[in-house]
Amino acid sequence: QQQVRQSPQSLTVWEGETAILNCSYEDSTFNYFPWYQQFPGEGPALLISISSVSDKKEDGRFTIFFNKREKKLSLHITDSQPGDSATYFCAASYNYAQGLTFGLGTRVSVFP
Amino acid sequence: GGIITQTPKFLIGQEGQKLTLKCQQNFNHDTMYWYRQDSGKGLRLIYYSITENDLQKGDLSEGYDASREKKSSFSLTVTSAQKNEMAVFLCASSITGGDTGQLYFGEGSKLTVL
Repeated sequence: QQQVRQSPQSLTVWEGETAILNCSYEDSTFNYFPWYQQFPGEGPALLISISSVSDKKEDGRFTIFFNKREKKLSLHITDSQPGDSATYFCAASYNYAQGLTFGLGTRVSVFP
Repeated sequence: GGIITQTPKFLIGQEGQKLTLKCQQNFNHDTMYWYRQDSGKGLRLIYYSITENDLQKGDLSEGYDASREKKSSFSLTVTSAQKNEMAVFLCASSITGGDTGQLYFGEGSKLTVL
């Protein structure tokens, strides 16, 4: 049973559009939700994160919206650029020292 | 800044063979992790270690051994490689007790079993 679910599996947007990536989770004890960005041939890198006490986190063109009651979150990439083309992983933990639980990822393609 | 170095970058083995992957970090982080990444299956935790000589099993530990003899290094052994197995193994590290829980990943070691 997948503890962290992501949709869509892949997403194509045009340059300048907003890409919306969705994530949901099962375990209500999860309290930390990072998003990782991975380019081919590289390891994932932390993009932005949110804790369960917040409902929104913004960093430049990247924004997380969090709904604790529905156990859902989303990552919005505004003004998408071709350089944003990558796979994005939603992850969750309640004690990050014990590792993160990752979703299966969303592959984003941004065309100029 | 720091870096995580994984060796080898590519590993080809035979069915039943014992294969070892190595990871070094110079962040001086306490906690280190091994994840397995399969196409379409995301990242799954194999082992983690919160300090030197500590080992904790993740969800995917069966078929693997790990060793943390030094703070800076963490090795993973595939005890018996499975035919047609292909995956990328990712090493990561993090500060224990920090407020972000950020994991820093290496570039990965790609395993192919013939």
